[in-house]
Amino acid sequence: GEDVEQSLFLSVREGDSSVINCTYTDSSSTYLYWYKQEPGAGLQLLTYIFSNMDMKQDQRLTVLLNKKDKHLSLRIADTQTGDSAIYFCAEGTGANNLFFGTGTRLTVIP
Amino acid sequence: SQTIHQWPATLVQPVGSPLSLECTVEGTSNPNLYWYRQAAGRGLQLLFYSVGIGQISSEVPQNLSASRPQDRQFILSSKKLLLSDSGFYLCAWSVGGTSSYEQYFGPGTRLTVT
Repeated sequence: GEDVEQSLFLSVREGDSSVINCTYTDSSSTYLYWYKQEPGAGLQLLTYIFSNMDMKQDQRLTVLLNKKDKHLSLRIADTQTGDSAIYFCAEGTGANNLFFGTGTRLTVIP
Repeated sequence: SQTIHQWPATLVQPVGSPLSLECTVEGTSNPNLYWYRQAAGRGLQLLFYSVGIGQISSEVPQNLSASRPQDRQFILSSKKLLLSDSGFYLCAWSVGGTSSYEQYFGPGTRLTVT
């Protein structure tokens, strides 16, 4: 089956940039996603990128995709304490065919 | 606007007892529905998905079952809970068909089996 791998933990200081990395194995992915899960809550879509794009920027968020290496990253600029959460990478060909990674717990240190 | 509800929010059940978790979606028709389990350090595991009433696909063999008695209602059940069933259960929906790209998640149910 498809594998989506992430580091489990990341700690950064408030104001620094955070970079969360993800690797996947399915070369037929159409969409690649970043979801955010706040403590005790469900997941919310943060951003997504089409597989034919290299980069997408949305305010403090920058998504980079290296399709050759099957590597996706999420950069959060000027990280705030409210960014502390679990971030899930996901890939798939549509909403009914998504595969999620293990999630990376981001801790922002004041 | 669409909303998704799950209940209960938290549940503590003894081993061997039955389980019923409910998920309902409002504001949309004929959604695709999903049940996931989230265990620590293991990400999201897709358990079941449904494309219509009475249509359930199981992704992993286990102690759980799912049913969709109505268009916007999705139920996760077990006849006898195991300790390994503990986890955070998430229901999600997406627009029916295969053209949508986003799943929308409910708030989750934290199940502890003792």
